[in-house]
Amino acid sequence: DAMVIQNPRYQVTQFGKPVTLSCSQTLNHNVMYWYQQKSSQAPKLLFHYYDKDFNNEADTPDNFQSRRPNTSFCFLDIRSPGLGDAAMYLCATSTLAGTSTDTQYFGPGTRLTVL
Amino acid sequence: DQQVKQNSPSLSVQEGRISILNCDYTNSMFDYFLWYKKYPAEGPTFLISISSIKDKNEDGRFTVFLNKSAKHLSLHIVPSQPGDSAVYFCAASVSGTYKYIFGTGTRLKVLA
Repeated sequence: DAMVIQNPRYQVTQFGKPVTLSCSQTLNHNVMYWYQQKSSQAPKLLFHYYDKDFNNEADTPDNFQSRRPNTSFCFLDIRSPGLGDAAMYLCATSTLAGTSTDTQYFGPGTRLTVL
Repeated sequence: DQQVKQNSPSLSVQEGRISILNCDYTNSMFDYFLWYKKYPAEGPTFLISISSIKDKNEDGRFTVFLNKSAKHLSLHIVPSQPGDSAVYFCAASVSGTYKYIFGTGTRLKVLA
């Protein structure tokens, strides 16, 4: 089945130790998104790629970086995780981004714990 | 600055009755709205959407109503089923921006 896959599902890291979360898609969608969701809060958009064009949200900390080596894969790098970065990280894709019939397809998320 | 608000964190409804989930927004530029459903340990899945040129969109048991003057949308589920128990997020977008702003979600519990 075509889908959005996130690995790992659970990630534990130490304070200040770099961590990379991965997302892959078999949908061949041109837009990929990373969201951060903390408990009982709305998913917050960190950045998105339209093909290879990277779009960072103004309030996304510099500690968060992303790479998209090809259409299928997108990575979220947290350079120096702090305790406040513990959250669920959701990857999503879309193909008609910005049109009135768009929808996003989400992966299951990676829950990050920072010790 | 929460541009999309879901003021009810939770809702309980009897099976077979109507569930009404509400969402308010502040940005008058939003012209496309979506509802997502999320089960535990899964990502959100798309449920239904509505463009600002419409005030109603139906898909089976799910209907979304949009009141632009009040900047308010609602999701009606009729009849509610136990399998509808999940967290429901509304999201809003300005066409062409590729950005979706989400609400905090409403946890719906349908009681058998």
